[in-house]
Amino acid sequence: GQQLNQSPQSMFIQEGEDVSMNCTSSSIFNTWLWYKQDPGEGPVLLIALYKAGELTSNGRLTAQFGITRKDSFLNISASIPSDVGIYFCAGQGSGTGNNRKLIWGLGTSLAVNP
Amino acid sequence: DAGVIQSPRHEVTEMGQEVTLRCKPISGHDYLFWYRQTMMRGLELLIYFNNNVPIDDSGMPEDRFSAKMPNASFSTLKIQPSEPRDSAVYFCASGQSNTEAFFGQGTRLTVV
Repeated sequence: GQQLNQSPQSMFIQEGEDVSMNCTSSSIFNTWLWYKQDPGEGPVLLIALYKAGELTSNGRLTAQFGITRKDSFLNISASIPSDVGIYFCAGQGSGTGNNRKLIWGLGTSLAVNP
Repeated sequence: DAGVIQSPRHEVTEMGQEVTLRCKPISGHDYLFWYRQTMMRGLELLIYFNNNVPIDDSGMPEDRFSAKMPNASFSTLKIQPSEPRDSAVYFCASGQSNTEAFFGQGTRLTVV
């Protein structure tokens, strides 16, 4: 099935460093979502973006909906050990009626060295 | 709220056996999604329901997979017969029309 291009695939950083990851698509999306998944758990929504150019923050996390509607990035500032996990982007396209289908990236695995 | 509840958390079964995964969505949510997660393919949407009606089942891999939602508080995903390549983590998620999906903890299925 269709997937988003998410990069980097993995990151290993020192505590306190900033992190940046992004997703690109060949298709236009109306919604971009960023989720985090901890081991043995389901993904948890971090940030939702609904408008091209939108910049939204959630604590140390900041995400932007690209102006072309084909990309999005997520930044984490001053990383801490509990930021460890896999981060997923997901996009929801246009379409009429009842379309709630999300297209997912393959994830960015983040490791933080204390 | 207890969140989305899935059972079992782990399932090990032999090839050819029938497997049934269960999900209780968050009360009041009118959308329910079934996903499969593997290392190679990531998260794949299998099927989703709105008000208990299947809306898009284009992600269901083949006829061995079936999903039902007999009422607003319960859904099942059945694999019959199961095969080793079905081994994965299966997630159920629910949401409302104006919210994003909330995921359960998943069922880790191993078919040997």
